[in-house]
Amino acid sequence: GAGVSQSPSNKVTEKGKDVELRCDPISGHTALYWYRQRLGQGLEFLIYFQGNSAPDKSGLPSDRFSAERTGESVSTLTIQRTQQEDSAVYLCASSLGYFSDTQYFGPGTRLTVL
Amino acid sequence: KNEVEQSPQNLTAQEGEFITINCSYSVGISALHWLQQHPGGGIVSLFMLSSGKKKHGRLIATINIQEKHSSLHITASHPRDSAVYICAVSTNFGNEKLTFGTGTRLTIIP
Repeated sequence: GAGVSQSPSNKVTEKGKDVELRCDPISGHTALYWYRQRLGQGLEFLIYFQGNSAPDKSGLPSDRFSAERTGESVSTLTIQRTQQEDSAVYLCASSLGYFSDTQYFGPGTRLTVL
Repeated sequence: KNEVEQSPQNLTAQEGEFITINCSYSVGISALHWLQQHPGGGIVSLFMLSSGKKKHGRLIATINIQEKHSSLHITASHPRDSAVYICAVSTNFGNEKLTFGTGTRLTIIP
């Protein structure tokens, strides 16, 4: 079946502009995660959605970052007034949502802020 | 100090060699994950374990909960195994957000 998909695959934007990144999880997966990987650095958690529960936003680096999820489907990550330090690969993952479940990663969106 | 430490950071080996990558963590965990990231490629989950040992093909993952340590082994390594291997832990049952190690870059020379 289809895996996790993300769009766009690449995004180049100018400093100060807003960007929206999209994630389509695997159908039936109730848990959805956003992570990012800055160049030369490890992966870091951003936000977690589980069903209709309040999302865990503890990893969002600033109030310029926000994310939404429509039910148990598509999620969008929005970065307002982008800064150069926002340049990274943004990865989405989904899982069935049960305890200690395998996460399936999307291909990522490479964001470059000029 | 990072909650998840991996060693070595880089590893180069000849084809056929037995490979070991280590991961130590400092927090209580609900599960430990081993992930593989190919250059320019996405991330694939190799193993998720909370105790004991798992095996898939030439890959073996072990975990010692008391010592807060896990190892990933590759037997009969092959150039296609060249990738970054990442250890990650989840610390809360019901919220499986991952905390990642910095990864081990493995290069297998033919």
